[in-house]
Amino acid sequence: NAGVTQTPKFQVLKTGQSMTLQCAQDMNHNSMYWYRQDPGMGLRLIYYSASEGTTDKGEVPNGYNVSRLNKREFSLRLESAAPSQTSVYFCASSEARQGVRRNTEAFFGQGTRLTVV
Amino acid sequence: QQQVKQSPQSLIVQKGGISIINCAYENTAFDYFPWYQQFPGKGPALLIAIRPDVSEKKEGRFTISFNKSAKQFSLHIMDSQPGDSATYFCAASGVGAGNNRKLIWGLGTSLAVNP
Repeated sequence: NAGVTQTPKFQVLKTGQSMTLQCAQDMNHNSMYWYRQDPGMGLRLIYYSASEGTTDKGEVPNGYNVSRLNKREFSLRLESAAPSQTSVYFCASSEARQGVRRNTEAFFGQGTRLTVV
Repeated sequence: QQQVKQSPQSLIVQKGGISIINCAYENTAFDYFPWYQQFPGKGPALLIAIRPDVSEKKEGRFTISFNKSAKQFSLHIMDSQPGDSATYFCAASGVGAGNNRKLIWGLGTSLAVNP
């Protein structure tokens, strides 16, 4: 059982280049999330998708776009990379549904370490 | 604004000692309080979680204490081991706008357990 799979694991981009980070989960979860993690800043939510076909902005959406391609896949795109986007990016998924009181565990991928030079 | 405040930022404990990490929250609508553990180079993983209808939850050496009136919760690691050295995140969630659920995260505590 692979859980949450992110690709690539490492990437170096030049300023202005674009790229897409891929994420796939095999747990049939409804909700998927993209976070960035920077030293001393904790985990900051970039975008999330509460269900297939919906996406919403998180705390730090500027400079990013997302696509919930199907229930399994949620991609994050940097259209014009900037040094400020150097970070570790995590994708996560959970069973949490809209309006449901019960929350469930969020499963994280191994992360993508992105450096923008 | 930081809706979940976590302290300390870093912690050094001797093997066999008790590690205590504290979190405070502001939103009384939060109804789920998990703790996540993250090892270097890995994604966070759920360690233990509590709901506000209980004051304490214990799983092995890990205990969450919850104080609803003070809006605080803490993680206690008993008999701390070098293998517990990791970053620990507290979080909270509740049903928000649009009936969506999102986790609100603390900034993390880096724990080092000396042999």
